[in-house]
Amino acid sequence: EADIYQTPRYLVIGTGKKITLECSQTMGHDKMYWYQQDPGMELHLIHYSYGVNSTEKGDLSSESTVSRIRTEHFPLTLESARPSHTSQYLCASSELNRPQETQYFGPGTRLLVL
Amino acid sequence: SQQGEEDPQALSIQEGENATMNCSYKTSINNLQWYRQNSGRGLVHLILIRSNEREKHSGRLRVTLDTSKKSSSLLITASRAADTASYFCATGRIPTGANNLFFGTGTRLTVIP
Repeated sequence: EADIYQTPRYLVIGTGKKITLECSQTMGHDKMYWYQQDPGMELHLIHYSYGVNSTEKGDLSSESTVSRIRTEHFPLTLESARPSHTSQYLCASSELNRPQETQYFGPGTRLLVL
Repeated sequence: SQQGEEDPQALSIQEGENATMNCSYKTSINNLQWYRQNSGRGLVHLILIRSNEREKHSGRLRVTLDTSKKSSSLLITASRAADTASYFCATGRIPTGANNLFFGTGTRLTVIP
């Protein structure tokens, strides 16, 4: 089991609410990622970070934002949730000097916006 | 998908049979990895094969890589009901750029007891 955690695991929320999905890892990894995965299964990279104070947009445009104030913590925020944000969100991490090597994934947050 | 394609999209077999999944990709790579995802969970790394390798084994898993055809296959031998999951390939591309992995569309494997 990877030492990477996501909370909440499930979230049902109304349109317009602000939400923050938490992700933390205890492996000391510098590089972290957020993926969005719809029921069709394909993973889309929406954000990544090389380390503290670094955030980059991924391949899929997203209305969410991220921050990296501490190495172990990489939260994702939606300022105003919409039904189109309904999806599963997966957080992952890897060693900075070996980014194309193994990525370690959290269990995911399944978000439903009504 | 612009990232990679797994084939078939879904596969259903009897316990004890072998399962073969294929992955095709479009760009030159440093390595190719296979991940497993149980329903509603995160992905778990299974095996990594580098671009200069042709075959790799890990327990009941066998991975092949053909860089000339830009394809890879994952064979699970003597399948078990517990192997039921979705399987994804992921590629580390050249040039590396941000050094991110690119995931395919996944194969959903069902092993019937």
